[in-house]
Amino acid sequence: AQSVTQLDSQVPVFEEAPVELRCNYSSSVSVYLFWYVQYPNQGLQLLLKYLSGSTLVESINGFEAEFNKSQTSFHLRKPSVHISDTAEYFCAVSEPNFGNEKLTFGTGTRLTIIP
Amino acid sequence: GAGVSQSPSNKVTEKGKDVELRCDPISGHTALYWYRQSLGQGLEFLIYFQGNSAPDKSGLPSDRFSAERTGGSVSTLTIQRTQQEDSAVYLCASSSSYLKTDEQYFGPGTRLTVT
Repeated sequence: AQSVTQLDSQVPVFEEAPVELRCNYSSSVSVYLFWYVQYPNQGLQLLLKYLSGSTLVESINGFEAEFNKSQTSFHLRKPSVHISDTAEYFCAVSEPNFGNEKLTFGTGTRLTIIP
Repeated sequence: GAGVSQSPSNKVTEKGKDVELRCDPISGHTALYWYRQSLGQGLEFLIYFQGNSAPDKSGLPSDRFSAERTGGSVSTLTIQRTQQEDSAVYLCASSSSYLKTDEQYFGPGTRLTVT
């Protein structure tokens, strides 16, 4: 069975500082990897995803994540955060088989930006 | 266009009562998922519908939980004889096909409180 670990439940960061949100997964097969974001009082939105190809994927708002197969990690990074990045971030995996494409989520990391 | 909608947005019920939660997926999306977001458990998969195929109910926590999807569109999640541990936010998501590359779009959720 697949699982996802987000070690940091809360991460406070000063505005314009860099941030890394950690995600590790375990699976017996190859996986697809996702980061979802939940802004205050809003629903879950896809931030970025890794399916295949380049191990570095980027979002439109400056976040990036790198798939590292040897370390089974998919850490999320941003070189300079803004107040608007305050949200909860969820790492998720799914297994690329036909059938149920359920997402297995980590417990989330609450990112707080300090002005 | 319209996103995934869920109703009610909030539901408070007494222990032992039955509740029904509704999900309207994005028009044309064939795959529909229910997840539960609760303190201490994070986001958990509950059930998956794909077209006319038999649903994958492997995530339902007990036989008090059931779901149906009528006409391949609207879905209802029913919880019978609610317990306090059922208190959570219930999320519905839909995607356009069974291909894993298709993004799951989440609704705003129904916050269920069992008193």
